[in-house]
Amino acid sequence: AQSVSQHNHHVILSEAASLELGCNYSYGGTVNLFWYVQYPGQHLQLLLKYFSGDPLVKGIKGFEAEFIKSKFSFNLRKPSVQWSDTAEYFCAVRGRSGAGSYQLTFGKGTKLSVIP
Amino acid sequence: SAVISQKPSRDICQRGTSLTIQCQVDSQVTMMFWYRQQPGQSLTLIATANQGSEATYESGFVIDKFPISRPNLTFSTLTVSNMSPEDSSIYLCSVEDRGGARNTGELFFGEGSRLTVL
Repeated sequence: AQSVSQHNHHVILSEAASLELGCNYSYGGTVNLFWYVQYPGQHLQLLLKYFSGDPLVKGIKGFEAEFIKSKFSFNLRKPSVQWSDTAEYFCAVRGRSGAGSYQLTFGKGTKLSVIP
Repeated sequence: SAVISQKPSRDICQRGTSLTIQCQVDSQVTMMFWYRQQPGQSLTLIATANQGSEATYESGFVIDKFPISRPNLTFSTLTVSNMSPEDSSIYLCSVEDRGGARNTGELFFGEGSRLTVL
């Protein structure tokens, strides 16, 4: 079974600071990797995803993530955060579940607070 | 993309009662998924609902506690039965973007149903 670990529960940054949110996963097979974001009062939405190819993936709103297979990591980065980036961020890995179907396994989430 | 509507958005329930959550999608989808997000926890898959067949439950979840209906390709319900305070959670409906011939794996989520059990 796969698992996902997000290192930080809550990150507080000032505007224009750089962001890196850690994500490590454990899964023995081929995985697809995702970052989802949930803005206050809104539903979860996809930020970016990695399936194959270039391990540096660019997503919406200036976010990017790098897949490092040897480290089982998929860290999320943004060079300069804005107040509007305040949200909760979830890393997820897609692999085969115990019931035999493919499912997304989510990390516990990292809450990002950006101070103006 | 898909637009998903869930009802109710929130409810406060008494111990021992049951509540049914509805999920409506604006397009036909093969699989619908029900997740639970307990306070301070990540999203956990409860079950996968396919139209025309029994739902497939993940370890730790059983049909008697979380019966699911899937009468057509745009609608599903999840019932939380005989509720206890431990069932207080956000319940989320989601569907997968099949992306035509290729399954992109992206999930689209409803806004969730926040249940509080007293």
